[in-house]
Amino acid sequence: NAGVIQTPRHKVTGKGQEATLWCEPISGHSAVFWYRQTIVQGLEFLTYFRNQAPIDDSGMPKERFSAQMPNQSHSTLKIQSTQPQDSAVYLCASSLDGQNERLFFGHGTKLSVL
Amino acid sequence: GQQVQQSPASLVLQEGENAELQCNFSTSLNSMQWFYQRPGGSLVSLFYNPSGTKHSGRLTSTTVIKERRSSLHISSSQTTDSGTYLCALERANTNKVVFGTGTRLQVLP
Repeated sequence: NAGVIQTPRHKVTGKGQEATLWCEPISGHSAVFWYRQTIVQGLEFLTYFRNQAPIDDSGMPKERFSAQMPNQSHSTLKIQSTQPQDSAVYLCASSLDGQNERLFFGHGTKLSVL
Repeated sequence: GQQVQQSPASLVLQEGENAELQCNFSTSLNSMQWFYQRPGGSLVSLFYNPSGTKHSGRLTSTTVIKERRSSLHISSSQTTDSGTYLCALERANTNKVVFGTGTRLQVLP
């Protein structure tokens, strides 16, 4: 069991460029969560999928951020026109079914927007 | 307002001392989890503890739902325990997991 895999580990973009972050959940897990972590804000919930369907995206900034889960083996978080304030560690987690289950996190993608 | 409050924000111990970390919450929950994170590291699940007391080595987690609190006790602390400890609760009726701001622990040799 390789755990939750996130790629890339580090991404540097210029202001205004697009960034796509990838997450591969643990095999057999049907729930995928995205979080953002900064020193100032701590861990912020972004969005959550269960069985590939978006369940709750209340934490997603309304503009520029989007997330998809095209199949059960991966999810993507896309940030268009990146801004310096988007710099953070983006964490993906999965759980067995998203309800009353332990969360398992990936190592995160550190996004730096210059 | 902040739904999950952790205390203390930071703690410095001498190796061998015990620590009690607190997590208080203001919302109904389905579950409570404790995580450990080294600087620059990923979150490691320590306990999934929706209620009652659980033990794992030198760690003990106790969640008392009606008092809306959970605690993490570290006995005989070691320098390798240094890092940030985060509690996270799954809000009732939503499945959304929200995190506290963490307790930064430093254990000195």
